[in-house]
Order: sequence, then structure tokens, then C-alpha cells
Amino acid sequence: EDKVVQSPLSLVVHEGDTVTLNCSYEVTNFRSLLWYKQEKKAPTFLFMLTSSGIEKKSGRLSSILDKKELFSILNITATQTGDSAIYLCAVEVFIIMKTSYDKVIFGPGTSLSVIP
Amino acid sequence: NAGVTQTPKFQVLKTGQSMTLQCAQDMNHNSMYWYRQDPGMGLRLIYYSASEGTTDKGEVPNGYNVSRLNKREFSLRLESAAPSQTSVYFCASSERQPNQPQHFGDGTRLSIL
Repeated sequence: EDKVVQSPLSLVVHEGDTVTLNCSYEVTNFRSLLWYKQEKKAPTFLFMLTSSGIEKKSGRLSSILDKKELFSILNITATQTGDSAIYLCAVEVFIIMKTSYDKVIFGPGTSLSVIP
Repeated sequence: NAGVTQTPKFQVLKTGQSMTLQCAQDMNHNSMYWYRQDPGMGLRLIYYSASEGTTDKGEVPNGYNVSRLNKREFSLRLESAAPSQTSVYFCASSERQPNQPQHFGDGTRLSIL
């Protein structure tokens, strides 16, 4: 059964700290790994990773994928209170069915709280 | 930019009542999805629609039905609500191509008493 595991499930840090969020997966027909940020409402897309070892970066956030060891990390440097959110990791797998589509499996999320 | 719009935002039902959650997207996406989100369990796929006129079951379809009314709209119906269906429901859409992220609505918080 396909699954995505995230750790830690919750984390409290002080402003200015650097955090690393982990995501590991066991799936068949891997296509990509995605990170989303969820504040009060809709998850918003952060990164999509398809190749091992290539870092994706956006401001203070960065992420990298290791397809051999089946995991990804999301780093946030110099954290701010606005980084407080649930960070969702998801893996896209390809399924051939009568209407083939890319199934997306979400992990449980890491709840990050950044305190002043 | 509206993106994905869900209605209602909140709803309280009694056990056994029925209701339909509405979702519309204005991005001309082919694929649409319904998820539920429960504490500690992430997002679980209820149903999806790869294109107009097609729907398929996801991970947790029991107790739900869907209709892909047209390319823009994808509704989720609870025929006889149960307390176990208390959850936050998200609709999403995406291009029907590899490596395209999903875009989410703001969710519907549903409580079944």
C-alpha cells in the first residue's frame, strides 16, 4: 500500500531558528513529490521535486529529494511567525486505470509554530 | 482570480440529513478532486474526475456521491450524513498532465450532530 510519512508531526521553534521537515515515502510508480503550506484555509503549492539531488529554492525555503533513499526534506531558515502553518508532503504516482490519472497521496502534515 | 471556489464554508447537519457541497474552478482544468481532511490523517481522496463526464472512486468513497456537472463544476453529495463524516472538505483541480500541482479551494467545514 502506498504511504507517505512525515516527521515530526508538530514542532515549536523561536523566530530566527532553522527547521528541517522530513518526508519519507513508499510508493509504486513514483512521478513527483510535492510540498504544500496550509495556513487557515487552502493548501498552497510550494515545490515540486522530480529528480534526486536538485535543490529547489524559494526565498528562505528550500527542498531536496533523494529517490534512492525515498525521502525529501524541507528547510526553512531564519523562521518568522508567518511561517507558522501545517506543511504537507504529497507524492504523485501514476496509475493506469480505465481513466489513467496521477494519484496524489498526502502525508499527515507537520504543524509548525514559530513563536516570537 | 477566483481559482477554486467552494460553497458553503460552514455547515451543521443532523444525522441522516442530506446535502451537496459545491465546487467550481475557473482555470479550465480537466481534473477535479474531492478530499477530506481529519486531524493527524492528512488529505484523503474521496472521488476524482479526470475529465468532464467521468468520475472514479478514491480512497474513502463510502457514503458519498459526486457529479461532474460540466468542466467547471464538481459537486459532492452526502445522501444520509453520519457523525463520522464530520470533517473539513477540500475541492481541488489540476491540469490533466504529469507534474502539475493541484489548486485547492478554501474548504468546507462540516459538522454532523
